[in-house]
Amino acid sequence: GQQLNQSPQSMFIQEGEDVSMNCTSSSIFNTWLWYKQDPGEGPVLLIALYKAGELTSNGRLTAQFGITRKDSFLNISASIPSDVGIYFCAGYYFSGTYKYIFGTGTRLKVLA
Amino acid sequence: EPEVTQTPSHQVTQMGQEVILRCVPISNHLYFYWYRQILGQKVEFLVSFYNNEISEKSEIFDDQFSVERPDGSNFTLKIRSTKLEDSAMYFCASGTSHGVPEQYFGPGTRLTVT
Repeated sequence: GQQLNQSPQSMFIQEGEDVSMNCTSSSIFNTWLWYKQDPGEGPVLLIALYKAGELTSNGRLTAQFGITRKDSFLNISASIPSDVGIYFCAGYYFSGTYKYIFGTGTRLKVLA
Repeated sequence: EPEVTQTPSHQVTQMGQEVILRCVPISNHLYFYWYRQILGQKVEFLVSFYNNEISEKSEIFDDQFSVERPDGSNFTLKIRSTKLEDSAMYFCASGTSHGVPEQYFGPGTRLTVT
């Protein structure tokens, strides 16, 4: 079945640094979404991308929908301690019915 | 800001027992979902629900599971005869349209099967 692989799996960064993570698949998606999950809480939607090549920002976050429709990346600029958490990509596609798949997650730890 | 709520926050049950997890979706949303997340792993889709019926379900959602919208506000997930491997966080989500994939998640119910 469809799988979304995220990299890196985890990362430690210094406060103020920029962060980049990506999500890849062997299959095409119609929509890419990025979520953040804090410990013990549900995922919170950060950014949704609807068209190949689309670049969208939400504050310090920027995400892009890859041209091939098989990948997406998320950048966080000037990281702060509250950016810590797990970032999940999710892909959405239609194959008879709508299907929604989450990636494996990138765990981010920010060192003050 | 409206949000999805779930109860209980933590449920402990013995193997073989039935549990019902409850969710109150955002009030003007029409599409409802259940997801599962085993500790330390990714979020897995279980089922989607629209117009009082299941619209999509995953391989995980077998006969042990059922969903119901018993009234205009609640959305429930029932797990019959729980197994140890059912221990996980269960998230409810809701959305305005099946064609619009933005979903809003509740805080989750941690289910522990002993």
